[in-house]
Amino acid sequence: GDSVTQMEGPVTLSEEAFLTINCTYTATGYPSLFWYVQYPGEGLQLLLKATKADDKGSNKGFEATYRKETTSFHLEKGSVQVSDSAVYFCALYNTDKLIFGTGTRLQVFP
Amino acid sequence: ETGVTQTPRHLVMGMTNKKSLKCEQHLGHNAMYWYKQSAKKPLELMFVYNFKEQTENNSVPSRFSPECPNSSHLFLHLHTLQPEDSALYLCASSQAGLTPLLELFFGEGSRLTVL
Repeated sequence: GDSVTQMEGPVTLSEEAFLTINCTYTATGYPSLFWYVQYPGEGLQLLLKATKADDKGSNKGFEATYRKETTSFHLEKGSVQVSDSAVYFCALYNTDKLIFGTGTRLQVFP
Repeated sequence: ETGVTQTPRHLVMGMTNKKSLKCEQHLGHNAMYWYKQSAKKPLELMFVYNFKEQTENNSVPSRFSPECPNSSHLFLHLHTLQPEDSALYLCASSQAGLTPLLELFFGEGSRLTVL
């Protein structure tokens, strides 16, 4: 069945460092891809999305490109802030199902 | 009021207790979901309701019993739980019907501990 694999965390960075959180997927057909973020004590919220190959989703300085050839949707940010500390979930939608990964915790220190 | 509200935020119960989790959404959505969030596991979809009708039951044990009296409210009734059921239970809502542009709106979750 369809699945999402994320890198294990936590990812620990200093402020202003470059961020990459890897996400790969397995799916038949043409899924839509999402990144959700969960700040401490809060529910998940949609960060960005891409619905077809080569689309780039972006929001709040974060970007991810839908790469069909590598079945990947890696999340990147050029300069992280302490306020970006959260858990990041990669997800795919395919055949009426929304499937999440395990989440990757990001910790940013001043 | 926030979009999706869950109560209680924290719940501790024994294996023989009966309790309920409540979710309320103020977004005018017609689909509501229960997810289970456990450490180092993917978010697990438990139940989906579209227009108050259950459209997904993801092989959830019968000790979890959902109820959706209207499009704004969703309950999860709990009885004779096991310690491995301890987790964060998340409620979410969306426009009815899953589409490629689907966006789920989540509550803050109810942290359940089963002793």
